[in-house]
Amino acid sequence: EIVMTQSPATLSVSPGERATLSCRASQSVGGNLAWYQHKPGQAPRLLIYVASTRATGVPARFSGSGSGTEFTLTISSLQSEDFALYYCQQYNNWPTFGQGTKVEIK
Amino acid sequence: QVQLVQSGAEVKTPGASVKVSCKASGHTFSIYGFSWLRQAPGQGLEWMGWTSSFNANANYAQKFQGRVTMTTDSSTNTVSMELRSLRSDDTAVYYCASSVSAWDFFNPWGQGTLVIVSS
Repeated sequence: EIVMTQSPATLSVSPGERATLSCRASQSVGGNLAWYQHKPGQAPRLLIYVASTRATGVPARFSGSGSGTEFTLTISSLQSEDFALYYCQQYNNWPTFGQGTKVEIK
Repeated sequence: QVQLVQSGAEVKTPGASVKVSCKASGHTFSIYGFSWLRQAPGQGLEWMGWTSSFNANANYAQKFQGRVTMTTDSSTNTVSMELRSLRSDDTAVYYCASSVSAWDFFNPWGQGTLVIVSS
């Protein structure tokens, strides 16, 4: 099983600021990495796939980068609707998820 | 745009079975596959398995093999997941999600179904 580790667990950011979320894989997953946004009571929403491709309808302030074992999700200027949980997921093998990063209002 | 609507919450006793359904609309059902995932209270997301809506092939996570069955019904555009021999640690929100294959990302997701296992 590929273990995904996200950091930090919680990120406190002011609206309008940049947020940088990290995800590390226990072994290389190539570019087979996705990011999701999850709000309480809602279905998770795909943001990024193949490490850096935005899903349909995802605002350009969301960007993904990385390959192999190190990945980053950047939210360039946080909006009020962006405060949520964010998960990374690898699909180079049986799918596994990180434990999540909570982005909260500072 | 694909939409997935899941069945409602369930309360089960230990040892029982639960069947959660997920109805798809807005696309050609047979060209997609569907995964099932779950999130227990305070825990992360866990992939349970995948089934093809084209030929009904299924791949299950080793943890659930022998205890889970995923099926599709193309006549109603519905995919279902049955989990047997329920335990208290099966209490979780269960999600269906569209994915082309077992090793894939998930888009979109259903709204989730809460399953509570309690005596």
